[in-house]
Amino acid sequence: GAVVSQHPSRVICKSGTSVKIECRSLDFQATTMFWYRQFPKQSLMLMATSNEGSKATYEQGVEKDKFLINHASLTLSTLTVTSAHPEDSSFYICSARVAGGYTGTDTQYFGPGTRLTVL
Amino acid sequence: QKEVEQNSGPLSVPEGAIASLNCTYSDRGSQSFFWYRQYSGKSPELIMSIYSNGDKEDGRFTAQLNKASQYVSLLIRDSQPSDSATYLCAVNRNGQNFVFGPGTRLSVLP
Repeated sequence: GAVVSQHPSRVICKSGTSVKIECRSLDFQATTMFWYRQFPKQSLMLMATSNEGSKATYEQGVEKDKFLINHASLTLSTLTVTSAHPEDSSFYICSARVAGGYTGTDTQYFGPGTRLTVL
Repeated sequence: QKEVEQNSGPLSVPEGAIASLNCTYSDRGSQSFFWYRQYSGKSPELIMSIYSNGDKEDGRFTAQLNKASQYVSLLIRDSQPSDSATYLCAVNRNGQNFVFGPGTRLSVLP
């Protein structure tokens, strides 16, 4: 399957600081990447859909000014959590859509996730 | 009605038994269906995909799709304690976003 990496895997920061998380597709080009958040023992929650070269589409209730997404190339999308607060502490996971291929349909592959702790 | 529904579990099965995980979806236009496994504290990992009605086997895993009844299932034969995880069902209507179910927690008891 396709490989998606995320960096950093774990970050601890002070309240009020900004944190940038990188998501890279390593062996394919991803025109679309997704950002999810997951709280302990809860389901995946889609935050936004990131399309290369255009503005991200945010899900209802997700503050676009707080969670800045940039998808400047076909292999890199970044999520910046601005002015982070303890309630932003969560597991942030990116994924990339692999279009078509031999199956003829899209498939989604996940990065390993970034655990953010805001003190 | 939620778009993709799964029993949250936990589903407990003894080691060596068959674990059966079910998923129903509401969008009749859905074309592709996926099962992901998520271990605690880790991100989801794709284990099976299925696009046509019927069964698709891969090792100990068998995915079953019935588009008329709008359900997809995953069977795990000879369940092992290492199969204990949350299993996420996802559906996709090509060109649109994937929709994930809430996941079923499976516990395989040694």
